[in-house]
Amino acid sequence: QQQVKQSPQSLIVQKGGISIINCAYENTAFDYFPWYQQFPGKGPALLIAIRPDVSEKKEGRFTISFNKSAKQFSLHIMDSQPGDSATYFCAARNSGGSNYKLTFGKGTLLTVNP
Amino acid sequence: DAGITQSPRHKVTETGTPVTLRCHQTENHRYMYWYRQDPGHGLRLIHYSYGVKDTDKGEVSDGYSVSRSKTEDFLLTLESATSSQTSVYFCAISDWSSTEAFFGQGTRLTVV
Repeated sequence: QQQVKQSPQSLIVQKGGISIINCAYENTAFDYFPWYQQFPGKGPALLIAIRPDVSEKKEGRFTISFNKSAKQFSLHIMDSQPGDSATYFCAARNSGGSNYKLTFGKGTLLTVNP
Repeated sequence: DAGITQSPRHKVTETGTPVTLRCHQTENHRYMYWYRQDPGHGLRLIHYSYGVKDTDKGEVSDGYSVSRSKTEDFLLTLESATSSQTSVYFCAISDWSSTEAFFGQGTRLTVV
């Protein structure tokens, strides 16, 4: 059972364009939704995160949009740059109990062409 | 960078041999996790720990065992390695007071 579904699997964008990656979840107990960025040969690193009590969070060129009723959230990268080329993972966590574990989407390979 | 060290970083082993991967942290974080990363599957949780000697299974735990005898160390053991366990393994840590999980650099394991 895949609890977090991510699309697209890969994405090619021109420099200066907008990159959009979408995720959907099933478990309504999830209460924390981070996005991780991973460069080749490195471990994933937290990029930006949101809680379900807000509909949008912006940090620089990166924005998370969150739709609680639809159980969907998305990452928007404005003015995409070649340095943004990486794999992006959405994730969700249920903070209830002692479990503090993240469930990840399958990832999106973003390529930004110069 | 969070103080997480995975060892070894690369390993090639033969089918049927036991393999142990080590994750060492210097952050004194309560939670530690082992994930595997495979093309098309993203990051999948193998096992996790919520304290010394407190561990639980993740979604792909078959063929793996873990141990945590000290706060700073979390060991992942493949009792009898199979080719399907060829993967990149990541350790992660987090703390109850923080929402962020920090990942190590990964261990690339090849089972031949």
